Amino acid sequence: DQQVKQNSPSLSVQEGRISILNCDYTNSMFDYFLWYKKYPAEGPTFLISISSIKDKNEDGRFTVFLNKSAKHLSLHIVPSQPGDSAVYFCAAVFGNEKLTFGTGTRLTIIP
Amino acid sequence: SAVISQKPSRDICQRGTSLTIQCQVDSQVTMMFWYRQQPGQSLTLIATANQGSEATYESGFVIDKFPISRPNLTFSTLTVSNMSPEDSSIYLCSVAPLGVPKNIQYFGAGTRLSVL
Repeated sequence: DQQVKQNSPSLSVQEGRISILNCDYTNSMFDYFLWYKKYPAEGPTFLISISSIKDKNEDGRFTVFLNKSAKHLSLHIVPSQPGDSAVYFCAAVFGNEKLTFGTGTRLTIIP
Repeated sequence: SAVISQKPSRDICQRGTSLTIQCQVDSQVTMMFWYRQQPGQSLTLIATANQGSEATYESGFVIDKFPISRPNLTFSTLTVSNMSPEDSSIYLCSVAPLGVPKNIQYFGAGTRLSVL
């Protein structure tokens, strides 16, 4: 049972445009959500997170939106840069339980 | 933050053999985690390595197959025992540094394992 889903395995975006990565979840108990970024031959690195009591969190070019009623979150990157090309994983957690990851979306920024 | 060194970075192993993966952190951490990422799949938690006590395994993972050691606050090993081709995956360790929320984990670069 895949509780966290990233339905787009890949996404290509022109440099300077907005990248929108989507993530859906099924467990309404999740109360904290994270995005990790992974370059080839490296481990995932934490990017941004959001608590379920909020609907938006912004950090520079990165903004995460949470729609609890739709059980959906998204990561917006504006403007997209070539260095943003990577695999992005969303993850969710309930309390002190383990992180549950999605399968990842490979983002390619086209110069 | 934390810097994590994971060895080996990759290996090709024969069926029936075992491989031990090492994870070294540059600072003392309470919680260390071991994950598996099978091809095309998400990261799945194998176990949480606790210093001074037995590791806590997730459903579907057992100590006989994935024995873990945690001799101190900066080091852990994961052994993949009696390997079969189905064990071909990327194995990653991660840590939750002191003072950082548990959910924000720092990952090693991973060990890419191929079993023939």
